[in-house]
Amino acid sequence: GENVEQHPSTLSVQEGDSAVIKCTYSDSASNYFPWYKQELGKRPQLIIDIRSNVGEKKDQRIAVTLNKTAKHFSLHITETQPEDSAVYFCAAHNYGQNFVFGPGTRLSVLP
Amino acid sequence: NAGVTQTPKFRILKIGQSMTLQCTQDMNHNYMYWYRQDPGMGLKLIYYSVGAGITDKGEVPNGYNVSRSTTEDFPLRLELAAPSQTSVYFCASSEQGSTGELFFGEGSRLTVL
Repeated sequence: GENVEQHPSTLSVQEGDSAVIKCTYSDSASNYFPWYKQELGKRPQLIIDIRSNVGEKKDQRIAVTLNKTAKHFSLHITETQPEDSAVYFCAAHNYGQNFVFGPGTRLSVLP
Repeated sequence: NAGVTQTPKFRILKIGQSMTLQCTQDMNHNYMYWYRQDPGMGLKLIYYSVGAGITDKGEVPNGYNVSRSTTEDFPLRLELAAPSQTSVYFCASSEQGSTGELFFGEGSRLTVL
């Protein structure tokens, strides 16, 4: 079955700097890769996703890149702000299966 | 739309007790899921359903049961609670299932003592 690894487990950056979180997956059939943000005590919410026919997707300060050959995808946050502090989860999915989540990355944006 | 609603938000159980976590969604989604979240472990799928009357096991189904008699409701039953079931439980739904956004409930924090 699918296995998703995520690094780093914790990340601290200064406000205004960039943050990068990387995930690797094992099943080459996976074709959908969402990222969820979970603020402290809140529910996870989708922030961006990418499908396997696309190499990069951007939404304002957030971008996701996908390398199908290497089976890894990354979340990039630019110009970080204190409200970006949260736990971020990546996930991988292929048709007919279920989402498999990474263990999460706790991002702290220091003022 | 209320989205996905879970109850209760908090519950303390004694070992061996049973309880049901309720989940209801008002988005007419066919797909519904139950996850548990342990510290540093991400979200693990317990059970899922692709429509009323259909349920299937996920990654960690032992000690749990579900039913799906209507599109809206997907309760999770814990029988004979054990300390290992102490966790935060999230119900979720999606429209497209395989490649659709998961809409999560607010979570239910369960402690088994």
